[in-house]
Amino acid sequence: GAGVSQSPRYKVAKRGQDVALRCDPISGHVSLFWYQQALGQGPEFLTYFQNEAQLDKSGLPSDRFFAERPEGSVSTLKIQRTQQEDSAVYLCASSLRGSGYTFGSGTRLTVV
Amino acid sequence: DAKTTQPPSMDCAEGRAANLPCNHSTISGNEYVYWYRQIHSQGPQYIIHGLKNNETNEMASLIITEDRKSSTLILPHATLRDTAVYYCIVRPGEGQKVTFGTGTKLQVIP
Repeated sequence: GAGVSQSPRYKVAKRGQDVALRCDPISGHVSLFWYQQALGQGPEFLTYFQNEAQLDKSGLPSDRFFAERPEGSVSTLKIQRTQQEDSAVYLCASSLRGSGYTFGSGTRLTVV
Repeated sequence: DAKTTQPPSMDCAEGRAANLPCNHSTISGNEYVYWYRQIHSQGPQYIIHGLKNNETNEMASLIITEDRKSSTLILPHATLRDTAVYYCIVRPGEGQKVTFGTGTKLQVIP
């Protein structure tokens, strides 16, 4: 597609529920990043993939957060047993090697 | 920790040039300076990037000091649609995580 697509656009989850957030990067983009953005803050790095390999997951806040990109294209960020502090916008970005990032519009997660 | 420092907010009159500063005093020789902006409820949008030479595209100009320790993003004729948060980031090598700060909230005033 023309851009990075994320779904759903909005998600409301009850505390303790598991959620899965999807990212469709631009076709052919090798690098894929997930960021978390709290209200009024800049995006915070979560994890990075190069093709299907997860090369950096140092930003994942807890073992409840899990990301995968099994075929090197679509990626899923899964959050288990959601907590209120998980409420944020989750951004996905992709890039070609050495180029700038293209971000999706994000998924706004609200945990109630 | 963010490798850049930006003022938290700025105002600019519509039609005037907006000059957004950024300090990146610890930048390494092979690190690029990238600028993004984020309009409410959207993901960050790429604006421009540079290594050591000044750059210009259809959106903006980027002026990087000779010592590369700071840069300025210039929007030559600001419009109301340029109201956004502007992020200056230093991009490390391929695959290394990029750290965003809190950016500069630019308000363009009619």
